[in-house]
Amino acid sequence: GNSVTQMEGPVTLSEEAFLTINCTYTATGYPSLFWYVQYPGEGLQLLLKATKADDKGSNKGFEATYRKETTSFHLEKGSVQVSDSAVYFCALSSNSGYSTLTFGKGTMLLVSP
Amino acid sequence: GAVVSQHPSWVICKSGTSVKIECRSLDFQATTMFWYRQFPKQSLMLMATSNEGSKATYEQGVEKDKFLINHASLTLSTLTVTSAHPEDSSFYICSALLAGGPNEQFFGPGTRLTVL
Repeated sequence: GNSVTQMEGPVTLSEEAFLTINCTYTATGYPSLFWYVQYPGEGLQLLLKATKADDKGSNKGFEATYRKETTSFHLEKGSVQVSDSAVYFCALSSNSGYSTLTFGKGTMLLVSP
Repeated sequence: GAVVSQHPSWVICKSGTSVKIECRSLDFQATTMFWYRQFPKQSLMLMATSNEGSKATYEQGVEKDKFLINHASLTLSTLTVTSAHPEDSSFYICSALLAGGPNEQFFGPGTRLTVL
């Protein structure tokens, strides 16, 4: 079956530091890959996505590249801000039927001034 | 746009009682809604897929008589936890698919259920 593994948190960084949150997946076929972000007290929001190998998703300074050869979709940002503090979820969709999502456990990011 | 709300945001109930959680798409119609459960420090687990006007499709291992789902309109789905027990305590999150829109789920803020 499908599964998503992401690094455990919390990840603690100082403002303007470089961020990487690792995500690897197991899936049959050619899934779509997503990063969602959950700010305190709010619902999950789609941050970025990639639907095929070598695609790069990007939004708000965050990037992730769909690497089929390593089954990875690592999230990166060159310079984090305090406002980026949130929980980040990696997820995949098998693209069959409904867009059923399989989530990783989430990684909390804490950015200090 | 594409806002999903849940009510209540938190609820505490006694063991044996039933609790209803509402999921509403506020500014769009959703023919499909999803219900997830999240345990502390664990990922979101899909419980069921709810389609407007038809029976929900439950994931393996989810008791459909325990977790009753109703999707009576294009903007409202409800999850009722019947005869709740402490092990049902969890964070319940819904999401909705925009009818005729991109294949993207919009998530509600979640409901924290605590069963005493």
